[in-house]
Amino acid sequence: GAVVSQHPSWVICKSGTSVKIECRSLDFQATTMFWYRQFPKQSLMLMATSNEGSKATYEQGVEKDKFLINHASLTLSTLTVTSAHPEDSSFYICSAWDHGRDTEAFFGQGTRLTVV
Amino acid sequence: GENVEQHPSTLSVQEGDSAVIKCTYSDSASNYFPWYKQELGKRPQLIIDIRSNVGEKKDQRIAVTLNKTAKHFSLHITETQPEDSAVYFCAASMGTGRRALTFGSGTRLQVQP
Repeated sequence: GAVVSQHPSWVICKSGTSVKIECRSLDFQATTMFWYRQFPKQSLMLMATSNEGSKATYEQGVEKDKFLINHASLTLSTLTVTSAHPEDSSFYICSAWDHGRDTEAFFGQGTRLTVV
Repeated sequence: GENVEQHPSTLSVQEGDSAVIKCTYSDSASNYFPWYKQELGKRPQLIIDIRSNVGEKKDQRIAVTLNKTAKHFSLHITETQPEDSAVYFCAASMGTGRRALTFGSGTRLQVQP
């Protein structure tokens, strides 16, 4: 199947700093990518939809100025958590569909963010 | 927007028994229903999916059924094995690559040896 690669797999940062997470589609182009957040023992919740060449669409309750999304190419979307706080500690996962096949959603391996 | 409810939240079965997890969805426009297995700290792994033009799909020990009228779909695992122990999520979407998935709350399946 298609491959979505996410980096880093885990990161620890200090409160107040920013962290950038990358999501790449390695063998297909993705005009749309999705960013989910998963707190411990909870489900995946959609944060935002990343659109290549245009602004991201954020879900209700997600601060767009705190979670900056950039989708500058057809294979790369980035999520930057700005001024991170301990409550931002979570598992962040990106996802994309291979539009050429449009058969299923492919997920990155996720990023475990811990803010101390 | 779409809302997906999943039951039960936990399920414990003996090895060899069957396990059934049920989900309901709210948006009749949804037409793609995948099931994922997720192990701790890992990405969700697609185990089976069904589209709304099909009522049932089977892949070895795993099957999914869909009732569009009632807006519910179920995952059936037969002959469970300890390695089936994980968290399972159902999801729904409108089935195109530009639509996100809405996930159920998850079911923690424990298969006792």
